[in-house]
Amino acid sequence: GENVEQHPSTLSVQEGDSAVIKCTYSDSASNYFPWYKQELGKRPQLIIDIRSNVGEKKDQRIAVTLNKTAKHFSLHITETQPEDSAVYFCAASSSNSGYALNFGKGTSLLVTP
Amino acid sequence: NAGVMQNPRHLVRRRGQEARLRCSPMKGHSHVYWYRQLPEEGLKFMVYLQKENIIDESGMPKERFSAEFPKEGPSILRIQQVVRGDSAAYFCASSPGGDSPLHFGNGTRLTVT
Repeated sequence: GENVEQHPSTLSVQEGDSAVIKCTYSDSASNYFPWYKQELGKRPQLIIDIRSNVGEKKDQRIAVTLNKTAKHFSLHITETQPEDSAVYFCAASSSNSGYALNFGKGTSLLVTP
Repeated sequence: NAGVMQNPRHLVRRRGQEARLRCSPMKGHSHVYWYRQLPEEGLKFMVYLQKENIIDESGMPKERFSAEFPKEGPSILRIQQVVRGDSAAYFCASSPGGDSPLHFGNGTRLTVT
C-alpha cells in the first residue's frame, strides 16, 4: 500500500518568514495530493491540493509543488502569520484505493510574532 | 449545505461496552471514509464505504470493529467491547467520488474509562 513520509515533524518560524513542509510517497499510481490544516481540537480542513498532471499550484500565500519522478511534493507558506500555527498533513491517493487518503504524520507549525 | 455531521461529539464508555459513532455525509456525497486519530498523531485510514457496500476495510481491526452505510440513514462505526486503547478521535469524511476533495466532520472523541 501507499506510504507517505512527512518532514519536519515540528517547525518554528518567525512571523513573516516562509515555511516549507516536504512529503514523499511510495505508490507511483498516486495521482492526487491534498494538504490539510488542523487546529487544536478541530477537524482537518483542506487548504490546497494538486493533481499529478500539474507541477505547481498557488493560492495566495500557499503553494504546492509536485515532482512525480522523485515522488515528492512540498507545501510552501510565505509571509507566515501567527494564525498559520497549526498541524499540517500531506496525503496521497489514487483510484486504486478509491481515493482513500493516506496521510503523513503531520507537521506542527508554530509562527511566533 | 450543512457539511459532514458526526455525532456524538464526545462519547464516554466503560471497558467492555459498545460505542456507536454516526456520520451523515454532505448532501450529494455517496462516499464515506472513517479515520482514527490518536493524540498528537496522524490520521489512520480505517474503512471506505459507499451506500450499502464496504469498498475497503484494510485499515480496520479484524475484531470488535465494524462499519456500515445503509441505503437510508447515516454511516455507523461500531466498536464492541471497547478497551482503553480505543480512546481516540474518530473522523468521518465524505466526497462525491473520484479525486474530489474529502470533507471532514468535526469528529467523535471517544474516551474509554
